[in-house]
Amino acid sequence: QVQLVESGGGVVQPGGSLTLSCAASGFTFNSYAMHWVRQAPGKGLEWVALISYDGSNKYYADSVKGRFTISRDNSKNTLYLQMNSLRSEDTTMYYCAKARGTQYYYSVDVWGQGTTVTVSS
Amino acid sequence: DIVMTQSPDSLAVSLGERATINCKSSQSVSHSSNNKNYLGWYQQKPGQPPKLLIYWASTRESGVPDRFSGSGSGTDFTLTISSLQAEDVAVYYCQQYYNTPITFGQGTRLEIK
Repeated sequence: QVQLVESGGGVVQPGGSLTLSCAASGFTFNSYAMHWVRQAPGKGLEWVALISYDGSNKYYADSVKGRFTISRDNSKNTLYLQMNSLRSEDTTMYYCAKARGTQYYYSVDVWGQGTTVTVSS
Repeated sequence: DIVMTQSPDSLAVSLGERATINCKSSQSVSHSSNNKNYLGWYQQKPGQPPKLLIYWASTRESGVPDRFSGSGSGTDFTLTISSLQAEDVAVYYCQQYYNTPITFGQGTRLEIK
């Protein structure tokens, strides 16, 4: 079945770096755009970044622009989020999510279970 | 940025009754070229990731019960649950994917009265 499995979360010091991964299975990974969406405990959903099906287009929320980099390896069916200069406000659950189409202008139809990032000294 | 505002923030409805959640966007999310509304609705139960219910404002995702329906156009949208079931207790979010940054509403918590 269609599945997204995130990994790479953990505890990191302020100013540190972390890379999240998302392993996709059960669908043709290189045909769909992919998102990262985050959610603090008890809070709403915040979109973080999107990459088009072929990696040619990338979009970021202002809150992470210049610090986070989204990428994908279609040969490995894997999505990544490189996070640098981490701040306490980046502490939250990060979800990997699949778009229904190739670019940003499609809804999200599959979500992973999420991985937690904690930024703390 | 397109701001999505949901109302109410929370809602309590009796089992079997209708539940209505509204979502308003700060600018139109309807594309004139195809008349599609770039609006989705998601359901999130405690401890779970969100689940897609409705896309293109009114198209029900496969497997979603037909008591869930979406309507609206332009800037005003509605999610309706025609007959509330116990398993519908959740937080519901609207989302616009008309433009980046993609934005979500603040969420509406639905409970049983």
